[in-house]
Amino acid sequence: DVKVTQSSRYLVKRTGEKVFLECVQDMDHENMFWYRQDPGLGLRLIYFSYDVKMKEKGDIPEGYSVSREKKERFSLILESASTNQTSMYLCASSLTGDRNNSPLHFGNGTRLTVT
Amino acid sequence: GQNIDQPTEMTATEGAIVQINCTYQTSGFNGLFWYQQHAGEAPTFLSYNVLDGLEEKGRFSSFLSRSKGYSYLLLKELQMKDSASYLCAVRDGAGSARQLTFGSGTQLTVLP
Repeated sequence: DVKVTQSSRYLVKRTGEKVFLECVQDMDHENMFWYRQDPGLGLRLIYFSYDVKMKEKGDIPEGYSVSREKKERFSLILESASTNQTSMYLCASSLTGDRNNSPLHFGNGTRLTVT
Repeated sequence: GQNIDQPTEMTATEGAIVQINCTYQTSGFNGLFWYQQHAGEAPTFLSYNVLDGLEEKGRFSSFLSRSKGYSYLLLKELQMKDSASYLCAVRDGAGSARQLTFGSGTQLTVLP
């Protein structure tokens, strides 16, 4: 079974802090994704990466950056956390780009609260 | 842009059949996915459709009509554990690195 592990289940940070959310997958997947999930808005894509050191903006990249130094690890960075970034953050991974039917495998999520 | 619509909530009775609809308007189409998400847990993959027609997997089936921009997820012999949010997602471009766009999800409550 694919395992996608997010480093924290719950986080509480103060406004202005720099926040790192870590995600590791163990199935050698090329593609990794960061989503946030908010009530009534569904999952929205923040950033994704299809290879080491490669990244592409999703639908809502503002206020976020990412890092993919190793294939198995994809980090989401909030340079200066704000209260509107309070949300559930979900990391996902999938197999290589030729396969349209490759599903996303999600981690259990990190619930971030910014006070 | 992308637009995916599904009902916000549905209620059904244990043992019954329920159909959850999803309509989409996307700039491209390379497949539609259904995911199940229990409260506080990660979404898990249920089904994938890229051609028109019905895909059956045990108690769950998913249907696609590309010309109508329409899909549904059919759940038979409902069980209490089927109470969850069901997410419809469309892949707009070629290759799995292309992003999925998700609907807001349908919260299904199964009553005894």
